[in-house]
Amino acid sequence: SQQGEEDPQALSIQEGENATMNCSYKTSINNLQWYRQNSGRGLVHLILIRSNEREKHSGRLRVTLDTSKKSSSLLITASRAADTASYFCATRDAGGTSYGKLTFGQGTILTVHP
Amino acid sequence: DAGVTQSPTHLIKTRGQQVTLRCSPKSGHDTVSWYQQALGQGPQFIFQYYEEEERQRGNFPDRFSGHQFPNYSSELNVNALLLGDSALYLCASREGRNSNQPQHFGDGTRLSIL
Repeated sequence: SQQGEEDPQALSIQEGENATMNCSYKTSINNLQWYRQNSGRGLVHLILIRSNEREKHSGRLRVTLDTSKKSSSLLITASRAADTASYFCATRDAGGTSYGKLTFGQGTILTVHP
Repeated sequence: DAGVTQSPTHLIKTRGQQVTLRCSPKSGHDTVSWYQQALGQGPQFIFQYYEEEERQRGNFPDRFSGHQFPNYSSELNVNALLLGDSALYLCASREGRNSNQPQHFGDGTRLSIL
């Protein structure tokens, strides 16, 4: 079963604009990760934020985590046509028996128009 | 440094048949997980292998089984194939059973059931 919801399901923007995607989850987590998937390909890891962190940056990516609201957001600044892809959040549950299983959301389809 | 490699890339089977998918983890990685991704959905966890044993299993029937070899490579076997098994099957690897490191994904095997 899916961990939670991603919002919006689809996002269409112009090159140069910022894109914000949100993710909600249901359980206590160890960490939350964002992945990108180009059509028909595997997932590429973008960024990992631990449950004791509130914000993390990597290049044009900014991720925030609010564990009290069980939500996260991914911001892509100055988007490019090459950013067109599906974006997924994935959570790793807290607790010693999780063994690193990831629970994914349903994803946000981002389209960046040149 | 090769990443996660999966074979075959595409496979067509008929209902009732059996299939074996293969995965070689990224160099230095000893933990392998398998995910099923239906069209338009996020990946769903099937199971994870570490030290040649299944450590955690998702909500999948016993028709789905796996194996990990001493060189850390892994196989996913599915028996008595159903139409609903049509999906992209993704393999992911990581160093360590319970680490906070991200998982690295292969490009997947696209399985179509006729």
